[in-house]
Amino acid sequence: EAGVAQSPRYKIIEKRQSVAFWCNPISGHATLYWYQQILGQGPKLLIQFQNNGVVDDSQLPKDRFSAERLKGVDSTLKIQPAKLEDSAVYLCASSLGNRGSTDTQYFGPGTRLTVL
Amino acid sequence: AQSVSQHNHHVILSEAASLELGCNYSYGGTVNLFWYVQYPGQHLQLLLKYFSGDPLVKGIKGFEAEFIKSKFSFNLRKPSVQWSDTAEYFCAVNFNNAGNMLTFGGGTRLMVKP
Repeated sequence: EAGVAQSPRYKIIEKRQSVAFWCNPISGHATLYWYQQILGQGPKLLIQFQNNGVVDDSQLPKDRFSAERLKGVDSTLKIQPAKLEDSAVYLCASSLGNRGSTDTQYFGPGTRLTVL
Repeated sequence: AQSVSQHNHHVILSEAASLELGCNYSYGGTVNLFWYVQYPGQHLQLLLKYFSGDPLVKGIKGFEAEFIKSKFSFNLRKPSVQWSDTAEYFCAVNFNNAGNMLTFGGGTRLMVKP
């Protein structure tokens, strides 16, 4: 079974530029998550989708971050404009979405963003 | 706000030593508890999870964790570590069955010396 795919794996940009990350979840997984992991910290949930609807985006900085999952499969996360403090690894995860709070999340390899 | 704490940021052990990593959370309601592991160069992967029933849960690779409700803790243990257990370990909590949202602790980096 293929895992969660993410691209690019690494990205270096200057502050005030924009950047986009792509995620392809495990086939058949209805729920998709985007996390931000700053160096030395645990992952922090940014947004959760159930199919193509947003379940929770309370920790997404909406003035600069946006995410979409138009067809309920792939998802993109965008930052515009980027700030220095956005330097982090952005993780995508997916789960079946049929077991509620006991669903196991499967993580992708992440995209390491460096903002200069 | 609900939070998860892992007090040991770095742990260094010799092979065959016993391991216990602490995890505490700040909530008295219903919780679902997870330990994830990230081996060098690999993805985060689930080690074990607790939802209900026997508070002592067993996971992959000989790991186990015990849920102590009165102490708001879910510590990870392994009787005898191997060099291949070198990794970063994350405790995660789903509070009050809130969808499937996880709150992660800050992680513990374990190094096992051969």
